[in-house]
Amino acid sequence: DGGITQSPKYLFRKEGQNVTLSCEQNLNHDAMYWYRQDPGQGLRLIYYSQIVNDFQKGDIAEGYSVSREKKESFPLTVTSAQKNPTAFYLCASSTLTGSSNQPQHFGDGTRLSIL
Amino acid sequence: GESVGLHLPTLSVQEGDNSIINCAYSNSASDYFIWYKQESGKGPQFIIDIRSNMDKRQGQRVTVLLNKTVKHLSLQIAATQPGDSAVYFCTPSKIIFGSGTRLSIRP
Repeated sequence: DGGITQSPKYLFRKEGQNVTLSCEQNLNHDAMYWYRQDPGQGLRLIYYSQIVNDFQKGDIAEGYSVSREKKESFPLTVTSAQKNPTAFYLCASSTLTGSSNQPQHFGDGTRLSIL
Repeated sequence: GESVGLHLPTLSVQEGDNSIINCAYSNSASDYFIWYKQESGKGPQFIIDIRSNMDKRQGQRVTVLLNKTVKHLSLQIAATQPGDSAVYFCTPSKIIFGSGTRLSIRP
């Protein structure tokens, strides 16, 4: 059954620590995305990637880093530079057409909290 | 910049009634719109989409209407059920998501 898997579901970060959130998809999608969602808010784009070994910053990339070494995987690292990391993090993927307009498939998120 | 906003942050509907969720967008060049449903603690799930060359599109119990003149969309859910309780987002792109409308169902 194809889909997107995010892990872990819950994650706790200590002060000064970097943590990495995993996102894997087996949908053969070219594009992958990371969003941050704060309580009662919409989704804000952190980073996205349309092809292996290439990625672009979204609206709130500061304090985050990503890599795209494989088509299936797009891990997000929340660095110690991100001073307010507590949020719900969502990963998504989509196909790319000529118009780039296709719906996204989302994972079930990782909830990150500060210890 | 481009923006999208849902008209009401919360909507309460009697079970069995029809629900209408409205959405306005700012960019008249937007040519594709998607509605997502997000249940508590989960990722958004695709409901229905519509392209700008259409005024209406129907799915199972859902209908989306697009009025390009006033840059407005609506999502209609027929015979609302308890399982429809969620936050609903409309988006014209993969970058812009508004804060959504929370749909609550009264028994």
